[in-house]
Amino acid sequence: AQSVTQLDSQVPVFEEAPVELRCNYSSSVSVYLFWYVQYPNQGLQLLLKYLSGSTLVKGINGFEAEFNKSQTSFHLRKPSVHISDTAEYFCAVSVLWNNNDMRFGAGTRLTVKP
Amino acid sequence: NAGVTQTPKFQVLKTGQSMTLQCAQDMNHNSMYWYRQDPGMGLRLIYYSASEGTTDKGEVPNGYNVSRLNKREFSLRLESAAPSQTSVYFCASSSWSRDRGLAKNIQYFGAGTRLSVL
Repeated sequence: AQSVTQLDSQVPVFEEAPVELRCNYSSSVSVYLFWYVQYPNQGLQLLLKYLSGSTLVKGINGFEAEFNKSQTSFHLRKPSVHISDTAEYFCAVSVLWNNNDMRFGAGTRLTVKP
Repeated sequence: NAGVTQTPKFQVLKTGQSMTLQCAQDMNHNSMYWYRQDPGMGLRLIYYSASEGTTDKGEVPNGYNVSRLNKREFSLRLESAAPSQTSVYFCASSSWSRDRGLAKNIQYFGAGTRLSVL
């Protein structure tokens, strides 16, 4: 089955600094890739998705991610973070023929400091 | 626009007690899911229902049962709760749609149920 590894459990960063949250996936077949964000005491909200086509995907709140098939990575980036970006971020993968079976990474807690 | 609604938001059980977590969606989605979220482990799929009348096991189904009551509602039952089932439970729903010619199935999540089993 497909799987996801998020390489950093916590990422502290100062406001207005750039940030990269790393995600690697494993699958023997083609996949869809997702990033979700979870604010405190809330459910998950879709940030962006990669289905096919351009490897650079833009999402909400100024985030973007780049799909790298050779490195099996899907890292999330933002050039300048805000305090309000403090949240937990989850990378997820599903195989093309069974979107119902989505596997999530363990999450990365992004803390933006003033 | 409610989306996915879960009840209750919080629950404390004693070992051996039973309870049912409720989930309802108003987006006319075909598929519904139950996940559990544990620290350091992300979300793990317990059960899902691809369409009304069908249910399938996910990654961690042991100790749980589900019922797809109708298209809107998907409940999760713990028959005999154990401390290992202390977790935050999320319900999600989705439907297939086309995006630039590709079939996709984006999941939308509820706010979660925080369950403690003592």
